[in-house]
Amino acid sequence: GAGVSQSPSNKVTEKGKDVELRCDPISGHTALYWYRQSLGQGLEFLIYFQGNSAPDKSGLPSDRFSAERTGGSVSTLTIQRTQQEDSAVYLCASSLGLNTQYFGPGTRLTVL
Amino acid sequence: AQRVTQPEKLLSVFKGAPVELKCNYSYSGSPELFWYVQYSRQRLQLLLRHISRESIKGFTADLNKGETSFHLKKPFAQEEDSAMYYCALNSGGSNYKLTFGKGTLLTVNP
Repeated sequence: GAGVSQSPSNKVTEKGKDVELRCDPISGHTALYWYRQSLGQGLEFLIYFQGNSAPDKSGLPSDRFSAERTGGSVSTLTIQRTQQEDSAVYLCASSLGLNTQYFGPGTRLTVL
Repeated sequence: AQRVTQPEKLLSVFKGAPVELKCNYSYSGSPELFWYVQYSRQRLQLLLRHISRESIKGFTADLNKGETSFHLKKPFAQEEDSAMYYCALNSGGSNYKLTFGKGTLLTVNP
């Protein structure tokens, strides 16, 4: 079946603009995760959803970052007033329960 | 706090040579350990997990709790093994968060 998909694949924005990144998990997967992959920092956990609720938002780097999930499916990660340090690849993963996490291809965000 | 260390950023071997990618972790409980691989222009994918105790693509990894290590090994490297390898830890139970190492870029030369 289809894997995790993310859109857009690439996003270039200007400093100060807001961006929205979308994740479509594998159908039926109850858990959804966002990670950030940046040079020098490796992969960092951002937020975890179980259904539509986010029991752990501890990885969000600032209050400019927010995420939501609707219908137990699609999730959107929003970054407000983007800064250059937000430039990274944003990865989404999903899992059935707390089993193996399957990753999407990522969205490469570049903030000019 | 849990932590994963991959001491080698780059590792280069010749085809047919043995390869070992090192991973050490810091966690006081009973962790679950994973190796993820990312081939060029492909998404991150699970290679193996310690609880499965299986060999995937000729790779094996043994959890050594005494040394807090989970090194990835293959006796005879192939060119198609060239990729970025990430070791990851999950604190298990009802926990879900994966803590990743910074990765090792493996290059297998012909």
